[in-house]
Amino acid sequence: DTEVTQTPKHLVMGMTNKKSLKCEQHMGHRAMYWYKQKAKKPPELMFVYSYEKLSINESVPSRFSPECPNSSLLNLHLHALQPEDSALYLCASSQGAGGPGEQFFGPGTRLTVL
Amino acid sequence: DAKTTQPTSMDCAEGRAANLPCNHSTISGNEYVYWYRQIHSQGPQYIIHGLKNNETNEMASLIITEDRKSSTLILPHATLRDTAVYYCIVRFTSGTYKYIFGTGTRLKVLA
Repeated sequence: DTEVTQTPKHLVMGMTNKKSLKCEQHMGHRAMYWYKQKAKKPPELMFVYSYEKLSINESVPSRFSPECPNSSLLNLHLHALQPEDSALYLCASSQGAGGPGEQFFGPGTRLTVL
Repeated sequence: DAKTTQPTSMDCAEGRAANLPCNHSTISGNEYVYWYRQIHSQGPQYIIHGLKNNETNEMASLIITEDRKSSTLILPHATLRDTAVYYCIVRFTSGTYKYIFGTGTRLKVLA
């Protein structure tokens, strides 16, 4: 299984809502990533988890809260988002420290904040 | 991580080779060059990577200049399905998980 899955595919939420994005991989990868991508722009790194510990936080606002419950799962909890947070949210995984660096990306969750 | 520079867009006739250049003049000795592509509204897809030597796989070939300051991704026989944004990235082989995506090249394969 060389797939990264993300749910939901689409999400519409109000600014007062709380929602979560989910990402799953069963490749035995120990590094997992969240990226944000605005239209016609390249993906921007948000968070990196390495061996289930938060390794990188690219100064992301606290209204985005990542969680890595186990080595296969990555969540992104959303609360009090703003309309400018509307974007494609991509999850990726890679083998981990010292391993090949290629990242496997999921299809993304398209988020719209009203 | 070294910064990359790519042309904004390119066209290629179907069936011809597509040659996508990337400049990474500040690359250091232990940084690899990675190529990804992103077809409209999908997640990026890994294509190939290399350090010094030229590399080839079932999707593409990667030519890295001897001074490592630039590289070219070659799609030998482009098809309409190769229409995508192609990103060139450099990163350390280990010790960091940070990918910095450049603006990429929007390749359009023409029938």
